[in-house]
Amino acid sequence: QSVLTQPPSVSAAPGQKVTISCSGSSSNIGNNYVSWYQQLPGTAPKLLIYDNDKRPSGIPDRFSGSKSGTSATLGITGLQTGDEAAYYCGTWDSSPSVHVVFGGGTKLTVL
Amino acid sequence: EVQLVESGGGLVKPGGSLRLSCAASGFTLRSNSMTWVRQAPGKGLEWVSSISSSSSYIYYADSVKGRFTISRDNAKNSLYLQMNSLRAEDTAVYYCARLTGSSPPDYWGQGTLVTVSS
Repeated sequence: QSVLTQPPSVSAAPGQKVTISCSGSSSNIGNNYVSWYQQLPGTAPKLLIYDNDKRPSGIPDRFSGSKSGTSATLGITGLQTGDEAAYYCGTWDSSPSVHVVFGGGTKLTVL
Repeated sequence: EVQLVESGGGLVKPGGSLRLSCAASGFTLRSNSMTWVRQAPGKGLEWVSSISSSSSYIYYADSVKGRFTISRDNAKNSLYLQMNSLRAEDTAVYYCARLTGSSPPDYWGQGTLVTVSS
């Protein structure tokens, strides 16, 4: 049971747009920065979005992030088959015995 | 270029021990807190432990508290995870990752597989 809640799967056609939600609480998303990660099969997670809405160098502007209250959203436009991957949200948490928390992951299928 | 390279994974029997290492390059390790995150086969990411830049602050997930010990040697640009009393449920790929400021991990290693089985 992950601390942050994501939909298990989303799908869309090539060229379309998709959004992935991440829901938390005031102890995590509500008071901390959110990051988003892309994990291709058999590889390590890769940072897509940090500090809620910033893209690291090299990440195309097809990827965007936003945060409102205790929820965050990852948006991907102009979907490509290469975007098929698992996507995770992550943030810090101020609860005892917890430091960094992640969502359960969302599998994106590009139909 | 920031690089994190884990090593030390392998097959171990229940109750056994392993020590994971993470070699850092491309940045000054002593400037960053570091963390270990694991991923069981077919599952999501699970935070394991974090350590501040000077080792003053250390955190553990309840699932590993009392069994795992995180440490670092800034002079050797290395992060470690000593894992004792291993259980089948500790089977996972273990990633070391860098923390920057008050943000979640930015750079991740390639991971090292730990399999706990008799």
